[in-house]
Amino acid sequence: SQMTQSPSSLSASVGDRVTITCRTSQAIDIHLNWYQQKPGKAPKLLIYAASHLQTGVPPRFSGSGSRTDFTLTISNLQPEDFATYHCQQSSHTPYVFGQGTKLEL
Amino acid sequence: QVQLQESGPGLVKPSETLSLTCSVSGASIRSYYWSWMRQPPGKGLEWIGYIFYNRSPTYNSSLESRLTISVDVSNNQFSLKLTSLTAADTAVYYCAREVPIGPTVGFDPWGPGTLVTVAS
Repeated sequence: SQMTQSPSSLSASVGDRVTITCRTSQAIDIHLNWYQQKPGKAPKLLIYAASHLQTGVPPRFSGSGSRTDFTLTISNLQPEDFATYHCQQSSHTPYVFGQGTKLEL
Repeated sequence: QVQLQESGPGLVKPSETLSLTCSVSGASIRSYYWSWMRQPPGKGLEWIGYIFYNRSPTYNSSLESRLTISVDVSNNQFSLKLTSLTAADTAVYYCAREVPIGPTVGFDPWGPGTLVTVAS
């Protein structure tokens, strides 16, 4: 299945609210994860099953969606949130990632 | 605390074979699926394939003809071999554990990654 993530880059300021979207070419129920990746580091699981925050993730992060359309929202952006975000379908192999969204200050 | 660490050459010549190993600590290699991913410089992530210790591996069809993933239970590690390398295989290679989490599965944790450059 294809994953279309948008936008590819996004400029924002501390305190802003931003939304990143991910669309799949076939329905995947809620089998959609989000990862955060900082420069030179490995991705970290942020949200699983579309809307569930991984342990330790602050509640300013939220996810929603099902079937083919998903969103990641970050409210009240903090300096440590500026990173690249990747969506990933976990419904079936081959697992596929979105192209990534670079969130810049 | 589960930790993964990739090891292998940073530079490989075109047409040669890449061999990478992922050493796992804090978890038994028998208990989970283990995946390889890669990320070309400035690009997105690609899932390469995964393995469970007593099952045949599953590969991304885009790489299947050149790929072997195996497990070494005695050393609690798993490996990747990719043949016939070209510049397009230049990437940071990551290993990761696939965990069942809620109603789905996810990759957690990841190794720090190792940059592999294919060049003569």
